[in-house]
Amino acid sequence: DAMVIQNPRYQVTQFGKPVTLSCSQTLNHNVMYWYQQKSSQAPKLLFHYYDKDFNNEADTPDNFQSRRPNTSFCFLDIRSPGLGDAAMYLCATSVRGSESVGYTFGSGTRLTVV
Amino acid sequence: TQLLEQSPQFLSIQEGENLTVYCNSSSVFSSLQWYRQEPGEGPVLLVTVVTGGEVKKLKRLTFQFGDARKDSSLHITAAQPGDTGLYLCAGGRWGKLQFGAGTQVVVTP
Repeated sequence: DAMVIQNPRYQVTQFGKPVTLSCSQTLNHNVMYWYQQKSSQAPKLLFHYYDKDFNNEADTPDNFQSRRPNTSFCFLDIRSPGLGDAAMYLCATSVRGSESVGYTFGSGTRLTVV
Repeated sequence: TQLLEQSPQFLSIQEGENLTVYCNSSSVFSSLQWYRQEPGEGPVLLVTVVTGGEVKKLKRLTFQFGDARKDSSLHITAAQPGDTGLYLCAGGRWGKLQFGAGTQVVVTP
């Protein structure tokens, strides 16, 4: 089945130690998103790629970076994780112009910072 | 500032009861979607509504989009334990989705 896969499912990192989360898709969707979801809060959009065009949300901290080397893969890099960055990170995909069809989400990566 | 307000935040009911959750905004959306999220998983799309006044039914779930396209409701008839989860509404604006904080629904046998 076509899907969005996030690895790892659970990640524990040390305070200040860089960490990378990955997302891959077999849907051939041209848009990929990264959301941060903290407990009991709405998923918050960090950034998205339309093909190779990177779009950062205005309030996304500089500590968060992203790479999309090809259509299938997208990475979230947290350069110096703080305790406040502990959250569920969700990757999603869609087709540009067809967002009303809905996003397809991965299962998420639960990040713990110790 | 939360663009989409969901209510109630938490709802606990017995199996067989009905429930309604609401999603409200002061902004107009081109489309509105409902997702269900289970613990440790990503949200799964339930339905998209695009036309003001639209009503969609998905088995025991009924979704309604307000005439002004600013609000929506989700009604579950004869809830079952499998309906337990976090229900998120999301509005489409400028090609991006804005999410509400969700309604946690717990259905006990």
